[in-house]
Amino acid sequence: QKEVEQDPGPLSVPEGAIVSLNCTYSNSAFQYFMWYRQYSRKGPELLMYTYSSGNKEDGRFTAQVDKSSKYISLFIRDSQPSDSATYLCAMHTGGFKTIFGAGTRLFVKA
Amino acid sequence: ETGVTQSPTHLIKTRGQQVTLRCSSQSGHNTVSWYQQALGQGPQFIFQYYREEENGRGNFPPRFSGLQFPNYSSELNVNALELDDSALYLCASTPGLGEGELFFGEGSRLTVL
Repeated sequence: QKEVEQDPGPLSVPEGAIVSLNCTYSNSAFQYFMWYRQYSRKGPELLMYTYSSGNKEDGRFTAQVDKSSKYISLFIRDSQPSDSATYLCAMHTGGFKTIFGAGTRLFVKA
Repeated sequence: ETGVTQSPTHLIKTRGQQVTLRCSSQSGHNTVSWYQQALGQGPQFIFQYYREEENGRGNFPPRFSGLQFPNYSSELNVNALELDDSALYLCASTPGLGEGELFFGEGSRLTVL
């Protein structure tokens, strides 16, 4: 069993839709949770960074962490074609190693 | 502020050869991590360097080795290349140890034939 599970998709939505991306994990020691966006042929870039459980909002993006269920989510409101990318969940314990999910490919159709 | 830069961007090697990939960390960052991203997968941690010392290592064999230089730039060396080593190799820097956000370069795409 992988430490972090993420549905690879692809997920295709129309422009303006609300997108929900999710990851589950098995290591209860994870304390820091992140979402990275990776465009084709580029390196990942950080979108959201949260500590422990709770919600965090930044513009059209909302990250949720439920440590009791070992489940994290990223919501994208009013999705745009420019949001088409691979979204990677990531987490770490505060140490040197960040564990990534496999990434979900998102396509937003105009 | 200069971001993370990696070279070369693409390269092709044959099985059994050796390769060296290079990374310049973002200005002010003293910690560099290397990740391997196979096609359709998320990045997998190879190792991390802090102040020229290896600070942690993932589940990769010893033929994957690295260096960090006094200016915090870094190299990843892979000996005895195997077909499964074909991947995007990502370098990421952080301001210090335990800092969560990784600042990635655009990667070096290695193809092993």
